[in-house]
Amino acid sequence: KQEVTQIPAALSVPEGENLVLNCSFTDSAIYNLQWFRQDPGKGLTSLLLIQSSQREQTSGRLNASLDKSSGRSTLYIAASQPGDSATYLCAVGGTGRRALTFGSGTRLQVQP
Amino acid sequence: DTEVTQTPKHLVMGMTNKKSLKCEQHMGHRAMYWYKQKAKKPPELMFVYSYEKLSINESVPSRFSPECPNSSLLNLHLHALQPEDSALYLCASSQGTGLSGANVLTFGAGSRLTVL
Repeated sequence: KQEVTQIPAALSVPEGENLVLNCSFTDSAIYNLQWFRQDPGKGLTSLLLIQSSQREQTSGRLNASLDKSSGRSTLYIAASQPGDSATYLCAVGGTGRRALTFGSGTRLQVQP
Repeated sequence: DTEVTQTPKHLVMGMTNKKSLKCEQHMGHRAMYWYKQKAKKPPELMFVYSYEKLSINESVPSRFSPECPNSSLLNLHLHALQPEDSALYLCASSQGTGLSGANVLTFGAGSRLTVL
């Protein structure tokens, strides 16, 4: 059974810092890994999707990497801004019937 | 149109009420999903429809009744709910069928349900 873990559970940084969010998964037989952003009480916004054959994806100040063999992904946020404050969820698209397995998220607070 | 639209955004209901949540997409996606998310927890899969047929029911209580009238619409009918059913209900859709992790899901903004 696939298990997805995100560390840290919460993170508070001053504006302008570069930061890294971590996601690990137990079963390396995956199709893809997706990073989502969720604002309080809102739905999920897809940030980056990495297919299993890819090593990384970039969008603006965001860069996500994937190391399938070690079961790890990182989301790098450059020059953080208060508007980046949200919960960041990683989700693994695996081969099990549930298809998409979510981590518990990292709650990010960027202080102005 | 690249969105999944959910209505209503907020719903308050009593335990004896009957209400429905609605979800709509016009991306031509063939699979649609209902997820339930409690506060500070990850989303949990409830139901998956593929080609308008129910393909996955994650042992959800019968007080939740899904319906897929056509390929663009997904409803969740609610009856005799309990206060612990209060949560954010998320709808999603994908191009492929709902039985593969290769599918990329697009999520709606959610419906916040409060059961009194």
